[in-house]
Amino acid sequence: AQKITQTQPGMFVQEKEAVTLDCTYDTSDQSYGLFWYKQPSSGEMIFLIYQGSYDEQNATEGRYSLNFQKARKSANLVISASQLGDSAMYFCAMRLGYSSASKIIFGSGTRLSIRP
Amino acid sequence: EAGVAQSPRYKIIEKRQSVAFWCNPISGHATLYWYQQILGQGPKLLIQFQNNGVVDDSQLPKDRFSAERLKGVDSTLKIQPAKLEDSAVYLCASSPPGGTGELFFGEGSRLTVL
Repeated sequence: AQKITQTQPGMFVQEKEAVTLDCTYDTSDQSYGLFWYKQPSSGEMIFLIYQGSYDEQNATEGRYSLNFQKARKSANLVISASQLGDSAMYFCAMRLGYSSASKIIFGSGTRLSIRP
Repeated sequence: EAGVAQSPRYKIIEKRQSVAFWCNPISGHATLYWYQQILGQGPKLLIQFQNNGVVDDSQLPKDRFSAERLKGVDSTLKIQPAKLEDSAVYLCASSPPGGTGELFFGEGSRLTVL
């Protein structure tokens, strides 16, 4: 079954520390894509980072990097030097298939709280 | 560039009543998605359109939910009759042709069923 699993319901991290949010996925497709989205308390969904299944290098976007381990089917999000504004829900998502119009499913999310 | 527009932002109804949500995607985005997000959970895909055709509606409760995208642009999602468990935020998203499939979300429509 195609599925995204986020095993950390909530995390507390001290400001300026790095944090890793876990994501594992299950798919039999060879071609797929992995996304991370941030959802602050205001509710909007903010795209953070993308990794394609054939990308050999881990994706990076500013303070965000995606630790992609294909054999282990994991796509963990790493936030370096956390800030108070990083407090939010974080969702891992997977595009099922090659096409940009393929179905996208989400995990259950991790609530990240940054302590000052 | 205008973002994904959704309305209404908030709606409160009694159970067994009906409600409709509207979504206008970003211009040129052929793919449109409706997700249901229950409080504390991840978004659940209800239906996906490619232009005006349905790509996936496997998780749409078709006895009470319906959706259409008649001209391949804006879309409506209807619930009739509503149940208490339909209380959720209904998120509309669109994605452009080509690229990674990144979703561009609207602000969502929050439904409370009493």
